[in-house]
Amino acid sequence: QQQVKQSPQSLIVQKGGISIINCAYENTAFDYFPWYQQFPGKGPALLIAIRPDVSEKKEGRFTISFNKSAKQFSLHIMDSQPGDSATYFCAATPGQAGTALIFGKGTTLSVSS
Amino acid sequence: GAVVSQHPSWVICKSGTSVKIECRSLDFQATTMFWYRQFPKQSLMLMATSNEGSKATYEQGVEKDKFLINHASLTLSTLTVTSAHPEDSSFYICSARSNGDHEQYFGPGTRLTVT
Repeated sequence: QQQVKQSPQSLIVQKGGISIINCAYENTAFDYFPWYQQFPGKGPALLIAIRPDVSEKKEGRFTISFNKSAKQFSLHIMDSQPGDSATYFCAATPGQAGTALIFGKGTTLSVSS
Repeated sequence: GAVVSQHPSWVICKSGTSVKIECRSLDFQATTMFWYRQFPKQSLMLMATSNEGSKATYEQGVEKDKFLINHASLTLSTLTVTSAHPEDSSFYICSARSNGDHEQYFGPGTRLTVT
């Protein structure tokens, strides 16, 4: 119940295309869903996050879509660029003070130029 | 945005020695800090959660006597890998969170190589 399942494991997208990464969860106590971007040899950086009271959040080229009834959320990267090539992790947490994030297994995105 | 630093960024040590890694929140008070390890091409694995002034809570399978965590102030947590062995070689990442904030801010990571 604590798992966050992420797919696909890897993704190749043409420059200018849309990258879509999906995550699913079981624990209905989760109430905060961030996405992180990680480059090799670096720590994860917060990209965008959503709470379950909204179905979509957009920041620049990055959009989170959230489906509470299906317990699924996804990251859409519009106009994908070679600089977006990285590993992306979804995560979830119940949000109580001191509660750790539960990470998905990650998606390696390659954007070809 | 909130900044978390780690030191050192890279360390090589001999088997049997101990190594200390520092994690600092530079511009906010971190009531909770988390330590993760990450093997190549894998996700982050939570090792322990520490609240300032309290003993760390370790995840199942993580040896608390081997991975000593101290969170003595609201801006500093340390992870000491004691009697390191080659299998402890990994990428260690800390994150920090302030009270009432959902967001966790990650440090840049420390690459540990045990020879």
